[in-house]
Amino acid sequence: GAVVSQHPSWVICKSGTSVKIECRSLDFQATTMFWYRQFPKQSLMLMATSNEGSKATYEQGVEKDKFLINHASLTLSTLTVTSAHPEDSSFYICSALAAGTYNEQFFGPGTRLTVL
Amino acid sequence: GEDVEQSLFLSVREGDSSVINCTYTDSSSTYLYWYKQEPGAGLQLLTYIFSNMDMKQDQRLTVLLNKKDKHLSLRIADTQTGDSAIYFCAETSDRGSTLGRLYFGRGTQLTVWP
Repeated sequence: GAVVSQHPSWVICKSGTSVKIECRSLDFQATTMFWYRQFPKQSLMLMATSNEGSKATYEQGVEKDKFLINHASLTLSTLTVTSAHPEDSSFYICSALAAGTYNEQFFGPGTRLTVL
Repeated sequence: GEDVEQSLFLSVREGDSSVINCTYTDSSSTYLYWYKQEPGAGLQLLTYIFSNMDMKQDQRLTVLLNKKDKHLSLRIADTQTGDSAIYFCAETSDRGSTLGRLYFGRGTQLTVWP
């Protein structure tokens, strides 16, 4: 089956530093990837939609300069949290749409970010 | 915007059936999904149903869709302790500029007691 990986699975950083999270589709091509944020015991909040070769589309209220998204290839999207602060601590999950379909979305295992 | 609602908690005894309910507001929904999330993990797709179907069964899982009432349910037969997790209802539609975008409910925490 289709597999999506995320790296790192968890990260602890100091306030003010930047953190990059990778999302990879391992055995399929993904023209579209989604980035979500999940707070404890909450649902997934869509942050942005990442399309290969074009700029990401951010949801209302999500700062594009703070959460930089790059989708440079059909198998890789990255989310960089710039100048991280403790309130950015969260569980970040990506998902990937298999190319040629719009209903087959596969989720990564998530990345736990803790900002001290 | 699209709204997906779920009850937050459900507790059942091992061996009983569990029924998790979900309502949604988007009349143009095309696919409806059930995802399972275990602690500290990502989402696992359990099953999905196309909007022109009423029911779908897959082993211990039965999905019922009442499109008129915009009501979706997931029944887990012979619930096991390993089924304890958060279950998310989600829907997608052809409306909007982002194909494949999912709208999630808040999740139902299922606790199975031995």
